[in-house]
Amino acid sequence: AQSVTQLGSHVSVSEGALVLLRCNYSSSVPPYLFWYVQYPNQGLQLLLKYTTGATLVKGINGFEAEFKKSETSFHLTKPSAHMSDAAEYFCAVSGYSSASKIIFGSGTRLSIRP
Amino acid sequence: IAGITQAPTSQILAAGRRMTLRCTQDMRHNAMYWYRQDLGLGLRLIHYSNTAGTTGKGEVPDGYSVSRANTDDFPLTLASAVPSQTSVYFCASKNAGPTGELFFGEGSRLTVL
Repeated sequence: AQSVTQLGSHVSVSEGALVLLRCNYSSSVPPYLFWYVQYPNQGLQLLLKYTTGATLVKGINGFEAEFKKSETSFHLTKPSAHMSDAAEYFCAVSGYSSASKIIFGSGTRLSIRP
Repeated sequence: IAGITQAPTSQILAAGRRMTLRCTQDMRHNAMYWYRQDLGLGLRLIHYSNTAGTTGKGEVPDGYSVSRANTDDFPLTLASAVPSQTSVYFCASKNAGPTGELFFGEGSRLTVL
């Protein structure tokens, strides 16, 4: 069975500061990992994903995440926060099978201080 | 515009009533999903369908049922609503395969009194 743990339900950073959102996964097989973003009153949209190959994955809006198998982590970072980054962020995991379901973490709400 | 359409966007429902949340996609995706979103719990999978004619149970299936008569439609039914089913419900779809991107609808906010 797969699961995802997001550390910190709420993260607040100043505009221009580094954003770091933490995600650890549990999987019995090599996982596929995702970050989704949800803006207020909207559905989720894909930010980036790791499948195979390069462990540093770049996504939209300047975000990136690094897959670290030894730490079972897939933390999301952005060097300089922008006010428009304020949203809810979800880490998710899927297994190898084409029938695998995508399991989401509990989410981290990112607030940006002016 | 291609995507997922959910209806209704919002509904207040008396406990014990039957309710069907509708979901239609026009992207010809094989797989469809229903999630509920609750504060502090993230998104939890209710039911899913990997292809038309098949369905499966997710993490929290009790009290809900689904059907997948064709590729485009995936309705979620609450046979007898209870207050604990108050939530925001999201329908999603993707192509077959584990690496595909999930596309989400705008959500249906359901309040059961």
